[in-house]
Amino acid sequence: SQKIEQNSEALNIQEGKTATLTCNYTNYSPAYLQWYRQDPGRGPVFLLLIRENEKEKRKERLKVTFDTTLKQSLFHITASQPADSATYLCALDSTGGGNKLTFGTGTQLKVEL
Amino acid sequence: DTAVSQTPKYLVTQMGNDKSIKCEQNLGHDTMYWYKQDSKKFLKIMFSYNNKELIINETVPNRFSPKSPDKAHLNLHINSLELGDSAVYFCASSQDLRPSRGQPQHFGDGTRLSIL
Repeated sequence: SQKIEQNSEALNIQEGKTATLTCNYTNYSPAYLQWYRQDPGRGPVFLLLIRENEKEKRKERLKVTFDTTLKQSLFHITASQPADSATYLCALDSTGGGNKLTFGTGTQLKVEL
Repeated sequence: DTAVSQTPKYLVTQMGNDKSIKCEQNLGHDTMYWYKQDSKKFLKIMFSYNNKELIINETVPNRFSPKSPDKAHLNLHINSLELGDSAVYFCASSQDLRPSRGQPQHFGDGTRLSIL
């Protein structure tokens, strides 16, 4: 069955550095991959979508890469700020069609001053 | 304006009771979803509706019954609540899932259900 793995341990980095989060998947070849941000007590918020034929996508300080050979996506936040502290979830389209997403368990990012 | 709104935000109730959670979206989307997020923060799809038609129905106990009176509303009714139902339930919506896939989903802020 599909499996999505994100770093379960929290990632602590210093303000101004680049944060890199990893999403690995097995037993599937998704057509696209999405990244969401979730703050405590709030619902996930969509950040970026990258399709299988795209290597890289950027949006302001965010960059996502998608390596279908390695079955991995990397999510980068450059010039990180304390306000970037949150849990970041990757989500893949699932077998079964439609717009069904399978989410990873998320990685908690903490940006320290 | 809240895009996807859920009520109530908190729900504390006894085992065995029946309860409902309501969801409304004002984004004009055609598809709505219910997710369950457990204590380990794992977010799992339960149901989705497209224009009031059930599209996704995961392996969920039949004590859970979604109802979509119109495409802007998707309610979740739970019968005979059990301890294991304690979780955060999120409603979400997206643009029509057909013909394209990969539409971003917009989430509400969740309903925290606690079973005593």
